[in-house]
Amino acid sequence: EVQLVQSGAEVRKPGESLKISCKASGYSFTNYWIVWVRQMPGKGLEWMGIIYPGDSDTRYSSSFQGQVTISVDKSISTAFLQWSSPKASDTAMYYCARKNDYDAFDVWGPGTMVIVSS
Amino acid sequence: EIVLTQSPATLSLSPGERATLSCRASLIVRSYLAWYQQKPGQAPRLLIYDVSNRATGIPARFSGSGSGTDFTLTISSLEPEDSAVYYCQQRSNWQYTFGQGTNLEI
Repeated sequence: EVQLVQSGAEVRKPGESLKISCKASGYSFTNYWIVWVRQMPGKGLEWMGIIYPGDSDTRYSSSFQGQVTISVDKSISTAFLQWSSPKASDTAMYYCARKNDYDAFDVWGPGTMVIVSS
Repeated sequence: EIVLTQSPATLSLSPGERATLSCRASLIVRSYLAWYQQKPGQAPRLLIYDVSNRATGIPARFSGSGSGTDFTLTISSLEPEDSAVYYCQQRSNWQYTFGQGTNLEI
């Protein structure tokens, strides 16, 4: 079964670094792009960035460039999203998803809730 | 960046009726367009890719159409479980964008 399993909910104070994960299984991890999508409470979907695990080629949304870092560890079929200094405005649900050959996101993780609060 | 505008924001219909959801792009979409369904507390689910192709396991009552700047998701005969928010999505120059969503109430 093709699936993406995300790490559990996180609570941080502003400025405390954070890294969440997305582990792939059931397919060849290095052959499909992985995207990260933010959903703030009660709001819509926002594309953050995309990475190709085969060579770590990464592209960011202009809205998130410099705010987060996307990476992968091929040895464990896992993608990561990290913040060096999160803010309260980063409080949201974060989804990872797999991109297919038609630029659609065909497999989604269940999401990781991130709360940043003092 | 291409902006996707969905209409209406909210649509209230009854079981068995036909739903027509619109997605309008600020510029011509030269690549692919997709549609997603999201129910409360769940991750989005891919419904339609490449404008009109149903994803695996999606019922035939869901169909997509359109070209250029105007795209449509049609649900031919609504079921109660179709209550959800629906999003369109496209890519342009390595920037992916979603519409703001249509809330479909059955």
